[in-house]
Formats: sequence, C-alpha cells, structure tokens
Amino acid sequence: DTGVSQDPRHKITKRGQNVTFRCDPISEHNRLYWYRQTLGQGPEFLTYFQNEAQLEKSRLLSDRFSAERPKGSFSTLEIQRTEQGDSAMYLCASSFGGARTEAFFGQGTRLTVV
Amino acid sequence: TQLLEQSPQFLSIQEGENLTVYCNSSSVFSSLQWYRQEPGEGPVLLVTVVTGGEVKKLKRLTFQFGDARKDSSLHITAAQPGDTGLYLCVGDAGNMLTFGGGTRLMVKP
Repeated sequence: DTGVSQDPRHKITKRGQNVTFRCDPISEHNRLYWYRQTLGQGPEFLTYFQNEAQLEKSRLLSDRFSAERPKGSFSTLEIQRTEQGDSAMYLCASSFGGARTEAFFGQGTRLTVV
Repeated sequence: TQLLEQSPQFLSIQEGENLTVYCNSSSVFSSLQWYRQEPGEGPVLLVTVVTGGEVKKLKRLTFQFGDARKDSSLHITAAQPGDTGLYLCVGDAGNMLTFGGGTRLMVKP
C-alpha cells in the first residue's frame, strides 16, 4: 500500500493524558501536513514540513502540541495534557511540493478526550 | 492570510437535480484541488486544476478554474445519492494548502 497511513485510527484518552499520533506519508513526498477537523467542519491547518524542516505552524498549535519529522519521512504529532476541546479528527497529508501540488490524505486519527 | 470561501455550506437536493458549489478567494493560487470526504474518512482527491480558465470533467462532475486563478466551481449534473458527502476545495499558493470550509451535500433518493 503506497498511500498515506495514520496510526492509530481511533484514540480515547482521559483528560490530562498525553497522546501521540503517527503519520507515514507517501515515500517520495517531500511535504507533510497536519490538519485538525471537528465534526461537520472543514480541516484546519496545524503545521507543515518540507522534508524534516517544520516551515509553518498555525496559531491553533498551542504549546501543548508538538510535531516532528525527524528524518524527513514519518511524522509524529504529540498533544500533552489533553483537554476535551482537543477531541477531533487529526488528518495527515503529503505531497511532492513544487509544481506537483496534489496532496493525498490519510484516513485520519479520531481523538476522543473524556 | 489566505482565505478560501466556499458556498453553499449545506445543500440538500433530490436525486436528478443539478447543483454548483463555489470556491472564492482574493488570493491567487498556483493550483486548486477538489476533494470529497465521507464521514470518518480522510478527504479523497477528485481533481486538480492548474491553468486559469481550465475546465475538467469527471463523469457527471465539471470543475472550472477561474481565469485569474482566484476562484473555482464544481458542477454536478443529475446528482445521485452516492454523491452525498463533504466537498472541499483546497488552494495551493506554493507554500501551504488553504482549505475552504466545505460544502455538505445530501442527495435524497
């Protein structure tokens, strides 16, 4: 399977716990994006990487959120001290960048904070 | 800040009707993608438009990119219940992707 994969698909956690999500992009893709989507809304940008460099971060990405892409391949998104408002679908996408702009999305990780 | 306004937000129609979804911005995009998303799944790419004035057809779906590459439209002919879903337009300005708010389409049999 050469698509974008995310793990886990679902995560239920208690408020205050830390969670980490993983995204494996399409292997040839340089760019990797993280988005958050709440029910019925369009995705909101969180952050994006060009290879291993984190080039842009949204104001939505508070100090409890951190993302890494250490070797320019897979990425992790960590949320510390989770709050109920963090409950959402977290989407990862990847693209070549440059002139080839199509982004391909994973199936997402649905986080529920109880 | 690049904004992409999508309209309408919600659309409920009968099977067989036609519809158009609009995506507008004051920014110029190097390309624009349309996605369809079903509940609990990630968005699936439908089409990419790159050239101003470009028209692409995908069966009953027609996508158009505005001449100035600031707006786009999606027209569905003879909608079917299988077309139900969230339609998203996404603009690429070369550095990051900008999402429209989405159009939730429901096609009733």
